[in-house]
Amino acid sequence: GNSVTQMEGPVTLSEEAFLTINCTYTATGYPSLFWYVQYPGEGLQLLLKATKADDKGSNKGFEATYRKETTSFHLEKGSVQVSDSAVYFCALFNPNFNKFYFGSGTKLNVKP
Amino acid sequence: GAVVSQHPSRVICKSGTSVKIECRSLDFQATTMFWYRQFPKQSLMLMATSNEGSKATYEQGVEKDKFLINHASLTLSTLTVTSAHPEDSSFYICSARDQIQGYEQYFGPGTRLTVT
Repeated sequence: GNSVTQMEGPVTLSEEAFLTINCTYTATGYPSLFWYVQYPGEGLQLLLKATKADDKGSNKGFEATYRKETTSFHLEKGSVQVSDSAVYFCALFNPNFNKFYFGSGTKLNVKP
Repeated sequence: GAVVSQHPSRVICKSGTSVKIECRSLDFQATTMFWYRQFPKQSLMLMATSNEGSKATYEQGVEKDKFLINHASLTLSTLTVTSAHPEDSSFYICSARDQIQGYEQYFGPGTRLTVT
């Protein structure tokens, strides 16, 4: 089947700390992988994506690499800011099923 | 960039009434729109996939007679919660797919429904 597992939160970091949010997936075929961010009371915004193995998605200092051998798509940022505080969702899209599958979300709290 | 709007952003209704939520793609044509439900501190649950001009495909466990979905045009899909009950209170989010951009989905800002 298709599923996404991401680390439970909340994750609390000090400003300028290094961030890693783990995400692993199971899927049939060739899925695309995504990270979305949700700020309080808002919908989801696409943060970055990767469409095939070894692709690296990046945006606003965040990065994630599509690792097929480890079925992972971990999110990283070298130096977080208070404004990065939000909930982050890992997701995959499987074209065979025409459907997105979301992880449970990881809340990030960044303290000044 | 691609923008998806939802209206209303918040709605409070009495138990037993019906509520309609609109989802619009503002600057692209969306042949497919998705409706999700999000419970507090939880992930998104896909309720249904809506294709323009055809019946929506509902996920298992979602009552199609309770959550009516209409996708009448390439830029508009509506979700009607019929005979709402307090347990229907939730955050409803729609997304739309731009066929030209491939599989990427663009999400609306969500609608907070509270049934009293």
